[in-house]
Amino acid sequence: EIVMTQSPATLSVSPGERATLSCRASQSVSSNLAWYQQKPGQAPRLLIYGASTRATGIPARFSASGSGTEFTLTISSLQSEDFAVYYCQQYNNWPLTFGGGTKVEIK
Amino acid sequence: EVQLLESGGGLVQPGGSLRLSCAASGFTFTNYAMSWVRQAPGKGLEWVSAISGSGGSTYYADSVEGRFTTSRDNSRNTLSLQMNSLRAEDTAVYYCARRVPTAYFDYWGQGTLVTVSS
Repeated sequence: EIVMTQSPATLSVSPGERATLSCRASQSVSSNLAWYQQKPGQAPRLLIYGASTRATGIPARFSASGSGTEFTLTISSLQSEDFAVYYCQQYNNWPLTFGGGTKVEIK
Repeated sequence: EVQLLESGGGLVQPGGSLRLSCAASGFTFTNYAMSWVRQAPGKGLEWVSAISGSGGSTYYADSVEGRFTTSRDNSRNTLSLQMNSLRAEDTAVYYCARRVPTAYFDYWGQGTLVTVSS
C-alpha cells in the first residue's frame, strides 16, 4: 500500500497570504495525484488532478506541482472561502490512498 | 448536472448489517466506475471499495474485504454497498464518488452516516 503523508497537519495563515501544502508518497505515483478541498459538513471537492491540472471552475490562485513522490499545493492569496481541510490522493496503485489532510486555518 | 444521492445510513449494532444506496443522475452511469469512500468522525478520508462501469470488477480495502460487497444496477443508475459483520470502527460518513476512468474522483455525494454501536 502506498502511504501518503501530508504536512503540516495544520497551517495558520492570514487572509491574503500564501499557503504551501506538501504531500509525500511512500513510492512513486508518477503524476497520478489529486488534491481535494473539504469544508465542515460538506463532501470533498476536486481541486487538482494529474498533479497540476486545475479541475473545472477552480480559481487560478490554486496551483500544484510535483511528480514521483513529492507534491505541493499552493494557494497564492488566501480568501475566506479557502479555509478548509485539503487532502491529497494517489490513484496510481490499488488500494487508492489518501493523505491525512492539512487543515488551513485563519491566523 | 451530475448528482449522487446516498441513502440507507443509520444506527446498527456491532455484528449487524446495513445496505447503503447511491442514486446517480445527470450522466451516463455505465461509462463510469464508482467508489465508496468513508470518513470516521473527525478523521480523514478512507477509500472503501470500487466497481467498474459494467460491474464486472470490484476492489476493496483490506479493512472491509470479506465483509462489504459493492454492486451496481445500471438499469436503475444505482450503486449499493452491502455491509455485514459491522464493527465500531466502521462508524463513518459514507460517500459515493464517481471515478474518472482509472483516475480521480470528480463528483461526490453528500454522504450518509453509519453508526455502529450497542
